Amino acid sequence: QSALTQPASVSGSPGQSITISCTGTSNDVGGYSYVSWYQQNPGKAPKLMIYDVSNRPSGVSNRFSGSKSGNTASLTISGLQAEDEADYYCSSYAGTSTHVVFGGGTKLTVL
Amino acid sequence: EVQLVQSGAEVKKPAESLKISCKGSGYSFSNYWIGWVRQMPGKGLEWMGTVDPGDSDTRYSPSFQGQVTISADKSINTAYLQWSSLRASDTAMYYCARHGDYYGSGSKIGHAMDVWGQGTTVTVSS
Repeated sequence: QSALTQPASVSGSPGQSITISCTGTSNDVGGYSYVSWYQQNPGKAPKLMIYDVSNRPSGVSNRFSGSKSGNTASLTISGLQAEDEADYYCSSYAGTSTHVVFGGGTKLTVL
Repeated sequence: EVQLVQSGAEVKKPAESLKISCKGSGYSFSNYWIGWVRQMPGKGLEWMGTVDPGDSDTRYSPSFQGQVTISADKSINTAYLQWSSLRASDTAMYYCARHGDYYGSGSKIGHAMDVWGQGTTVTVSS
């Protein structure tokens, strides 16, 4: 069982927006602004999409955005494209004992 | 180009030892924590631990403490993940990744992992 809870799957049609949630506790998501999101395509290494809750690394499309409210972080993808179909993982800093935790991952299907 | 290049796939028997590597290039290797992430077949990502190549300080996830050893040799820009006695349950893909420095204040364990290696497949089977 992963430390952070994500829906197993989400889907949307091209052009639509979807949101993936990531629920933790006050010891991780709620306690720090170190929430990140990764995209993983089959057989590939993960790719950083969002860091520190809502910041995009250079080169990541502005269709990807992140937010946080309390113990739940969210990744929103607007204007869905076929190329967005992938697995998405959230991660959070969890303090000096546990350090870093991941969510279980969400499979995004573009219909 | 900033990159992390991992060693090749390994096939081992239970109880054997193993050390896999992750070589950094294109940046100051000593200045960034390097973490290791496990992905079991068909499963999600699990953070295992991390090392500061500058002083070899290490931190482990409680789930992996005592199960693996993480180390680094800054003279050759390489981080390592090793097992002393493999089990079938260690069969997985292992990624190394760099904890970034987003504000010029240094790499921190809490920072997102911005550069990833290509992964090393480890298969443990009798």
